[in-house]
Amino acid sequence: NAGVTQTPKFQVLKTGQSMTLQCAQDMNHNSMYWYRQDPGMGLRLIYYSASEGTTDKGEVPNGYNVSRLNKREFSLRLESAAPSQTSVYFCASSEILGQYALHFGNGTRLTVT
Amino acid sequence: KQEVTQIPAALSVPEGENLVLNCSFTDSAIYNLQWFRQDPGKGLTSLLLIQSSQREQTSGRLNASLDKSSGRSTLYIAASQPGDSATYLCAVSSHPAYEKLTFGTGTRLTIIP
Repeated sequence: NAGVTQTPKFQVLKTGQSMTLQCAQDMNHNSMYWYRQDPGMGLRLIYYSASEGTTDKGEVPNGYNVSRLNKREFSLRLESAAPSQTSVYFCASSEILGQYALHFGNGTRLTVT
Repeated sequence: KQEVTQIPAALSVPEGENLVLNCSFTDSAIYNLQWFRQDPGKGLTSLLLIQSSQREQTSGRLNASLDKSSGRSTLYIAASQPGDSATYLCAVSSHPAYEKLTFGTGTRLTIIP
């Protein structure tokens, strides 16, 4: 079972460049999430999508945009990358918002120089 | 604001020992609590999910307990094995924003063969 698949696994950007992180899940889950993980700060929620067609801001949404393309796919876009966005980004999904176990992808390691 | 603390940050124990990992949270109005493990360079794997109405959950050699009134959860690992070496994180969802998990920074566990 693939579960949650994220691409790319690694990326280096220069300040000001843009990119889109892709995420897809094959578990027929309704809810999807984007988190970032930084040393000493734990994981923080960037955006989430309770169901297909809806998206909402999480704890740290500034500098990011998301698209819930369909039930399977949830993408995260950085329009103008900044060094502060250097982090490991995780996509996750769950059957229903907040009520069931989260399933995570393996992450994207992003460095902005 | 909910805060989640995991102490110690790192723990080493000989193979075969039983061990307990701790998680404390500041706001007892939680919706649920999850324990995850994270292997180096990988995403998080959900181990156990405890709903606020439950006292404990068990899966194989793992047992997680929840005491909302004291703001504490423990993860008990029986007969530890080298394959249990990983970072263990707990996360709580709190009313009313139950879509947002607040994560601890984890305990890095090393099982010594």
